[in-house]
Amino acid sequence: VQLVESGGGLVQPGGSLRLSCSASGFTFNSYAMHWVRQAPGKGLDYVSAITNNGQSADYADSVKGRFTISRDNSKNTLYLEMSSLRGEDTAVYYCVKSISPGYTSGWYDYWGQGTRVTVSS
Amino acid sequence: DIVMTQSPDSLAVSLGERATINCRSSQSLLYGSNNKNYLAWYQQKPGQPPELLIYWASTRESGVPDRFSGSGSGTDFTLTISSLQAEDVAIYYCQQDYSTPRTFGQGTKVEIK
Repeated sequence: VQLVESGGGLVQPGGSLRLSCSASGFTFNSYAMHWVRQAPGKGLDYVSAITNNGQSADYADSVKGRFTISRDNSKNTLYLEMSSLRGEDTAVYYCVKSISPGYTSGWYDYWGQGTRVTVSS
Repeated sequence: DIVMTQSPDSLAVSLGERATINCRSSQSLLYGSNNKNYLAWYQQKPGQPPELLIYWASTRESGVPDRFSGSGSGTDFTLTISSLQAEDVAIYYCQQDYSTPRTFGQGTKVEIK
């Protein structure tokens, strides 16, 4: 299993960014996928999740209305569109595979290496 | 949201000694239909992403050394490293996978004394 994130970088407050996660080594359309972030020197925070078929998504309150998760099962790719970015969104963003098709329960069995997002002027 | 609280925040243990990390949830993680506790433990070494150690509170992930064990039920859980090795220096997180949003404990840093 490989999860490779990309798209991170430096962005000004109020700006936008699109993260991607390319998945391989498993049947991508069978599993829910999540984004988890880690601010510098801090712990792990759930960001968003999407069901295996892409029909349902969930968001942390802190990003609701600003972030949009999506997936393209034909390309084995997960996305996170981030807008109205704030300083507190600065973090490493991990693409994470769940063990179940839905997002309501199930642990994470594989994590990507992460992509760093820095929101600063 | 379910709040996860770990203790201690950090601990220093001599090589070969036991390390014990506690995790408490604000509500029961025991799923009645299958009698499983939806609690996972992850290890994060410096500069690396987290890795799954244990799920269902006490089931070791494939490839995880048997010095790692998990126990507990309901709201109180424990991760034990029976004989600390140098490669176990890391931050350990518990996570509830009972409901969304998934929530993590604040982490426990394990160091060598």
